[in-house]
Amino acid sequence: KAGVTQTPRYLIKTRGQQVTLSCSPISGHRSVSWYQQTPGQGLQFLFEYFSETQRNKGNFPGRFSGRQFSNSRSEMNVSTLELGDSALYLCASTLEGSGGTEAFFGQGTRLTVV
Amino acid sequence: AQSVTQLDSQVPVFEEAPVELRCNYSSSVSVYLFWYVQYPNQGLQLLLKYLSGSTLVESINGFEAEFNKSQTSFHLRKPSVHISDTAEYFCAVNSNSGGYQKVTFGTGTKLQVIP
Repeated sequence: KAGVTQTPRYLIKTRGQQVTLSCSPISGHRSVSWYQQTPGQGLQFLFEYFSETQRNKGNFPGRFSGRQFSNSRSEMNVSTLELGDSALYLCASTLEGSGGTEAFFGQGTRLTVV
Repeated sequence: AQSVTQLDSQVPVFEEAPVELRCNYSSSVSVYLFWYVQYPNQGLQLLLKYLSGSTLVESINGFEAEFNKSQTSFHLRKPSVHISDTAEYFCAVNSNSGGYQKVTFGTGTKLQVIP
């Protein structure tokens, strides 16, 4: 069973540009969440998608957006990049269930804004 | 609303010494509790979890955590750490809220094992 796949693994962008990151969840998982991880702020929740709908959203500006497709693959987009957006972006998928279920993480996309 | 607090951002400890990584949570509903570990340049992976039953849960590599409902805590412990335990550890709570699961992570604790 394939794990969570994030592409690309590494990305370098210039301030003001936009970027799109991709996440393919584990087959059968319909919930996909995105996190930003930085040395200063730690792990911060961006948003969660379930069945193509945004179900939860963290406290990030509108420059951060996402979407989910019918096959559960998800993309996140950051527009007008700032230096502070440099971070490791992690995607996690979950099999929705009635009990506590584990989140499976991808290896992340490391974004560097110069 | 639910939240997770990991007060210690970094914990240095000598090899073979014991360690405790603290985690406190708040929630208005029943929760499930998790610890995840992140090794350098990797994503997070599950270390152990508490769903129900015995409040003491163990991982395969010697870590254990105890669910304390009255103190709303789920501290992670290991009696003797190894160099290979150097990593970042995240506590998480998962609850059923509004008909679906909601997961909240703490900001993480970096465990640095000193030879």
